[in-house]
Parts: sequence; structure tokens; C-alpha cells
Amino acid sequence: GQQLNQSPQSMFIQEGEDVSMNCTSSSIFNTWLWYKQDPGEGPVLLIALYKAGELTSNGRLTAQFGITRKDSFLNISASIPSDVGIYFCAGPLSNAGNMLTFGGGTRLMVKP
Amino acid sequence: EAGVAQSPRYKIIEKRQSVAFWCNPISGHATLYWYQQILGQGPKLLIQFQNNGVVDDSQLPKDRFSAERLKGVDSTLKIQPAKLEDSAVYLCASSFGVANTEAFFGQGTRLTVV
Repeated sequence: GQQLNQSPQSMFIQEGEDVSMNCTSSSIFNTWLWYKQDPGEGPVLLIALYKAGELTSNGRLTAQFGITRKDSFLNISASIPSDVGIYFCAGPLSNAGNMLTFGGGTRLMVKP
Repeated sequence: EAGVAQSPRYKIIEKRQSVAFWCNPISGHATLYWYQQILGQGPKLLIQFQNNGVVDDSQLPKDRFSAERLKGVDSTLKIQPAKLEDSAVYLCASSFGVANTEAFFGQGTRLTVV
């Protein structure tokens, strides 16, 4: 079954707004990865997090590794139309041979 | 640096036929992954290789799917015979090692089974 739960499943926002999405699990993760996937393309790595409580930025994107190690958050500030896509969280399941497992994704739509 | 290469980009086959996908990972990456992504869902791991050995294939439907990475570089994923529910995008990814799980993806192969 799905080990990583992402919410919301979809968001429709106005250009310029800030966006927040999260990823939760019943399992502990030692690494959290955030990816973006455009239509017809493979996922592209945005941010990698390695330590509980860590806050990392990549341009307008900021992600945090939850202190419980069971969740992570991704924020996008001042959204632009090219932010449209599906955002996935992922992490290696340490109790399953470090299988790199993905959440179901958050679909972001931005209205110009 | 060249990315992960996959071919073909698209494939349409009839059910019960066989199909093969090819992946060339980023040079120097020891870990290679094959994922199946059904429309509207997140990628689901099918098999994970470390060099030419299998790390995990617990989610690979072994009655019809097979994968190999004989020389620890390129990999092929085969489906025989295909079913309608195999229609999906098959993504290949690679990472430097099992501990370093920053995986980089190819563009995928979109398979349609009719």
C-alpha cells in the first residue's frame, strides 16, 4: 500500500500566491526528497533533506524535514505559471532495503 | 553530464504480446531503478539494482515481468505477455549508491496495451 500520503491531492491557485503541501508517513524516514514532474517527462529532483528539522531552500522553494521524521513540507513562494505540475515526495524505506518510495503527488495548477 | 537515457519513448502493443524497454543510467551510478507510473498515480518501484545485483524486486510481477542488468550498467525491462493493465509509463532512474538516494530519472517509456 501507499507508504507516503500527500496532501492536498490538487491545488488551483492564483499566480503570485504562496503554496504549501505536505507528505506524511507512519514510517520513519532518514531522507526526504521532493520532485516535480511535468507532463510527458520524468520527475526532476528539487530538494533533498537529510536531517530532522532541516530547512532547505532552492530559489522560491523551501522544504522542511519534520522533527518526528515522519513528515515533510514543501512551500513555494510567489507562484508563477511554470510552477504547474505534479509534486511528489519520496524517501527510502529503511525497513525495506532502502526502496525509494513515492507519494501519490500534489497536482498544482496556477491561474495567470 | 548526460542524463538517464530510455528507449523507446512510446510503444503500442496488443495484449499478450511482449515488449522490452532499455535504460542507460548516468555514468558512475551504481543503483538503477525501474518504476511503473499509472496515470494519476505516483511512481511505483518495480525493481532496484545495485550494480548487477537485485536489491529489491518484491513489487515486480514475476510471472510476466523480468529485468536484468548484466554488466552493471545498462538495463532492460521486459513484459511477456502484456495485459491491458500494464498500460503505464515505465521510468528508469539511477543514483550514485543505495545510501545516496538522490535518484535522477529518464523521460520514461509510455506503453499502451490494446
